Amino acid sequence: EAQVTQNPRYLITVTGKKLTVTCSQNMNHEYMSWYRQDPGLGLRQIYYSMNVEVTDKGDVPEGYKVSRKEKRNFPLILESPSPNQTSLYFCASSFVGQETQYFGPGTRLLVL
Amino acid sequence: GQNIDQPTEMTATEGAIVQINCTYQTSGFNGLFWYQQHAGEAPTFLSYNVLDGLEEKGRFSSFLSRSKGYSYLLLKELQMKDSASYLCAVSDYNTNAGKSTFGDGTTLTVKP
Repeated sequence: EAQVTQNPRYLITVTGKKLTVTCSQNMNHEYMSWYRQDPGLGLRQIYYSMNVEVTDKGDVPEGYKVSRKEKRNFPLILESPSPNQTSLYFCASSFVGQETQYFGPGTRLLVL
Repeated sequence: GQNIDQPTEMTATEGAIVQINCTYQTSGFNGLFWYQQHAGEAPTFLSYNVLDGLEEKGRFSSFLSRSKGYSYLLLKELQMKDSASYLCAVSDYNTNAGKSTFGDGTTLTVKP
């Protein structure tokens, strides 16, 4: 089944404790992206990647890091999480040039 | 940059037709798309417009006017399950190599 998976789905952590949210897709998509969504707001793009070893900042990259060492994986790294990073995070992927993005199920993060 | 505006909330009656408008101001444009998002779930793709005109997919249609920076999503024969948030998004894939900007979403409530 074609899908985007994220892990963990739910995470409660404390300020300053490094964490990684994994994202994996099995559709051979070149393009992958991370978004955060806060109550009453739409999706805001954090980082995206056009292909392996190619990443770029979205609109809200501060406090986040990403890597794209393999085509299927695009982990989101929070080196020192803060409470303002409490949010719902979505990973998405697509073929470059195709606008249909496929979204993962979301990761709900709470930073205390 | 991108600026996208859509109404925050709309209410309609089961069986009726509703039009959700979206206006955008962009520095680059490579297409506009609509996503549906039920509460607590991932967005799912509804439609994509890159040329002016109307795209129809069953009960859902989307219209684009690039000269006016305007789009709408038309939902016909509303069903209770159409109660969801509808996200308008603009991509400038070519200009900024992968940036996607979403509006804050329109929460549609369908009443019996």
